Amino acid sequence: QVQLQESGPGLVKPSETLSLTCAVSGYSISSGYYWGWIRQPPGKGLEWIGSIYHSGNTYYTPSLKNRVTISVDTSKNQFSLKLSSVTAADTAVYYCARHPNIVVAGTYWFDPWGQGTLVTVSS
Amino acid sequence: QSALTQPASVSGSPGQSITISCTGTSSDVGGYNYVSWYQQHPGKAPKFMIYDVSKRPSGVSNRFSGSKSGNTASLTISGLQAEDEADYYCSSYTNSSTLVFGGGTKLTVL
Repeated sequence: QVQLQESGPGLVKPSETLSLTCAVSGYSISSGYYWGWIRQPPGKGLEWIGSIYHSGNTYYTPSLKNRVTISVDTSKNQFSLKLSSVTAADTAVYYCARHPNIVVAGTYWFDPWGQGTLVTVSS
Repeated sequence: QSALTQPASVSGSPGQSITISCTGTSSDVGGYNYVSWYQQHPGKAPKFMIYDVSKRPSGVSNRFSGSKSGNTASLTISGLQAEDEADYYCSSYTNSSTLVFGGGTKLTVL
């Protein structure tokens, strides 16, 4: 059974960098699939942040592209999110989730999801 | 890219059917059969219910079905049950190789 678990600081100061890690168990990241980050501000909808393949190939949402870096560590079977110059608008529950290589596999879904971690941006 | 458009809320009585729409453009929903739907209960992670417009993953009730016409995808829930009360989100692949979610729809079972 594939499981994902987010971890990282729950409080980040404005203008600093938010850093989160998603640990994957029950499946080797190197075996395939894309690994993505999605966030949800309190009381609001889901927003895809970006995804990474085990080779390091990445895709980011245009609105965050200049501030986001997603990386993968296959030796630790985990991937990470860094979001720089954060403001209060970046306060959200951050989820990690797996999805297929959509065009190659011809299918699209996010599953499984981590339980999510709340990150608050405040001084 | 803009979020896909969903109604903010829908409601129905137990046993009835409801449909949630998800409107995009020819660059996303209309251009690909890569639309998925997610159910989210309060305080929980989303759960995927429909993929590739109309396919149901194993374990999801056949009361859930999906379809698409032009730039609009739809999720239909038949035989509404109290446990179906949740937020529902659509998502699509785009021609920029990015992914986009809808704004979400709150389903109330009366």
